[in-house]
Amino acid sequence: DGGITQSPKYLFRKEGQNVTLSCEQNLNHDAMYWYRQDPGQGLRLIYYSQIVNDFQKGDIAEGYSVSREKKESFPLTVTSAQKNPTAFYLCASMRRLGRSTGELFFGEGSRLTVL
Amino acid sequence: DQQVKQNSPSLSVQEGRISILNCDYTNSMFDYFLWYKKYPAEGPTFLISISSIKDKNEDGRFTVFLNKSAKHLSLHIVPSQPGDSAVYFCAAIAGGTSYGKLTFGQGTILTVHP
Repeated sequence: DGGITQSPKYLFRKEGQNVTLSCEQNLNHDAMYWYRQDPGQGLRLIYYSQIVNDFQKGDIAEGYSVSREKKESFPLTVTSAQKNPTAFYLCASMRRLGRSTGELFFGEGSRLTVL
Repeated sequence: DQQVKQNSPSLSVQEGRISILNCDYTNSMFDYFLWYKKYPAEGPTFLISISSIKDKNEDGRFTVFLNKSAKHLSLHIVPSQPGDSAVYFCAAIAGGTSYGKLTFGQGTILTVHP
């Protein structure tokens, strides 16, 4: 079945460590996104990528980095510079339509906890 | 600056009755609006959408209404079922965006009691 796979589902990190969250999709979608969910704040966009080898900062990119070397993969690295990394991270993708209708397909999320 | 706001953090409704979830926005460039549903520890799933050229869109038990002059949209669920209990996010997209940089509201927790 086509879909988006995020791993790991749960991750614990010590302060000062970088961690990488994996996101893989087999939907043949062009665009991929990383969102962060915090209680009472909805979903906020971290980074997005429209095509391979290209990505743009979202609203809260500081302390994060991404790469898009393959269409299917869009890993997110949470660096030690991210001051408050404990959150639920969601990866999403969107099929390219002449003009996007905004329908995102989400993975099941990764919960990162900093100890 | 919260451009999409869901001012009710939670809503409790009896099974069979109507659920009305509200959303307000401030950016007049938004021209497409969506509702997503999210269960705990899962990713959101798309529910229904509406273009700014319409004022109503219906899909089964779900209807979305858009009032552009008030910059307000609402999601009606009739009749409500216990399986509808979830967090509902309103989202908006600005015109001319090719790849959907969605702006989400904070979410409303809907609880439908049997």
